[in-house]
Amino acid sequence: EADIYQTPRYLVIGTGKKITLECSQTMGHDKMYWYQQDPGMELHLIHYSYGVNSTEKGDLSSESTVSRIRTEHFPLTLESARPSHTSQYLCASSILGQGVSEAFFGQGTRLTVV
Amino acid sequence: GENVEQHPSTLSVQEGDSAVIKCTYSDSASNYFPWYKQELGKRPQLIIDIRSNVGEKKDQRIAVTLNKTAKHFSLHITETQPEDSAVYFCAASLGDDKIIFGKGTRLHILP
Repeated sequence: EADIYQTPRYLVIGTGKKITLECSQTMGHDKMYWYQQDPGMELHLIHYSYGVNSTEKGDLSSESTVSRIRTEHFPLTLESARPSHTSQYLCASSILGQGVSEAFFGQGTRLTVV
Repeated sequence: GENVEQHPSTLSVQEGDSAVIKCTYSDSASNYFPWYKQELGKRPQLIIDIRSNVGEKKDQRIAVTLNKTAKHFSLHITETQPEDSAVYFCAASLGDDKIIFGKGTRLHILP
């Protein structure tokens, strides 16, 4: 079934560790996004991509990086996790080139940095 | 860049009554205005959207109106039910540009 998948769903990690949050979609979408969201709160755009080898920073300052080597895969890496990174991270994707299109969200990764 | 303001941040309505959530946007060139619903512990999902060449769109109990001159759009939910309780996000975008979300409205349906 075409969907957008995030792993892990939950992660508890120590301060200073490097972590990568995985996001994959099987919908053939070119546009992909990463949002940070405290439960039920505002969606903060941290990174987005229009396709392979395209990455852009969003509005939220973050010590994270992304890569887009394959269309279906858009991992998010935190080089050195801090307690302030504790949050939920949502990945999303949408079609490019049709002017307007629905964004589909993954289930999210809930990250706790201790 | 685009900025989307959403009001109110919290809304409580009696079951069966109507709920209205309002948003304004800053970029007059924006041409797509989706609304997402996020239930507790779940991912946001699109419930209705409207393009700039349309003034109103309705889907059963949900309707969205757009006033391009005022750069204002609203979500209307009629005959509210307990399952309408959720956080609702409005958004705006221009063509293939990034989607900008409002800060969300927490809707409580009171029994």
